[in-house]
Amino acid sequence: DIAMTQSPDSLAVSLGERATINCKSSQSVLFSSNNKNYLAWYQQKPGQPPKLLIYWASTRQSGVPDRFSGSGSGTDFTLTISSLRAEDVAVYYCQQHYSIPRTFGQGTKVEIK
Amino acid sequence: QVQLQESGPGLVKPSETLSLTCNVSGDSISNYYWTWIRQPPGRGLEWIGYVHSIGSTNYNPSLKNRVTISLDTSKTQFSLKLTSVTAADTAVYYCVREGLRPYNWFDPWGQGILVTVSS
Repeated sequence: DIAMTQSPDSLAVSLGERATINCKSSQSVLFSSNNKNYLAWYQQKPGQPPKLLIYWASTRQSGVPDRFSGSGSGTDFTLTISSLRAEDVAVYYCQQHYSIPRTFGQGTKVEIK
Repeated sequence: QVQLQESGPGLVKPSETLSLTCNVSGDSISNYYWTWIRQPPGRGLEWIGYVHSIGSTNYNPSLKNRVTISLDTSKTQFSLKLTSVTAADTAVYYCVREGLRPYNWFDPWGQGILVTVSS
């Protein structure tokens, strides 16, 4: 299984400031034949199902604000919220869709400082 | 726009079988993986497995001996059965669509259904 480890477990950021979440996979999730990283990011607000934010490590899902961006390759990835808004308070999960079983990071809780 | 909705009992007794159904509306059931994911209260996400639209399946090895996922194309539904449940199986269960490679991320998700295992 590919283990996904996120850091930090939680962070508090002031409104308008940058939030950065890291995700590390125990094996590379870069598919060499198409040079795509099979890494997705989800946002989960309280009482709601997760929502897809980013796939292929850096491609925003349709309708996701451009303050959300993803980067990284191979085994190290980052989700950045460039200017935190109140509605961004949530738990964020990374997930590899490279191999079976699909696995998630443990989640990072983002709060307002 | 595709929508998924879980249904089933919210309470299951220990050692019994958990059975859930997901109704798919708004799009064809073909050419996707139909997936179950669960989330114990206050915890993270665990992939249970999927059924492909042609009927093949793949399960999490941690649950493999207890889980069956099946598809009813005539009703555009898919189902989850988990046998010999214990309190550790208490969770919100989500049905989710996964695309085919390379589009194989989870979107959309159902609202989820809380299943409690208790006598």
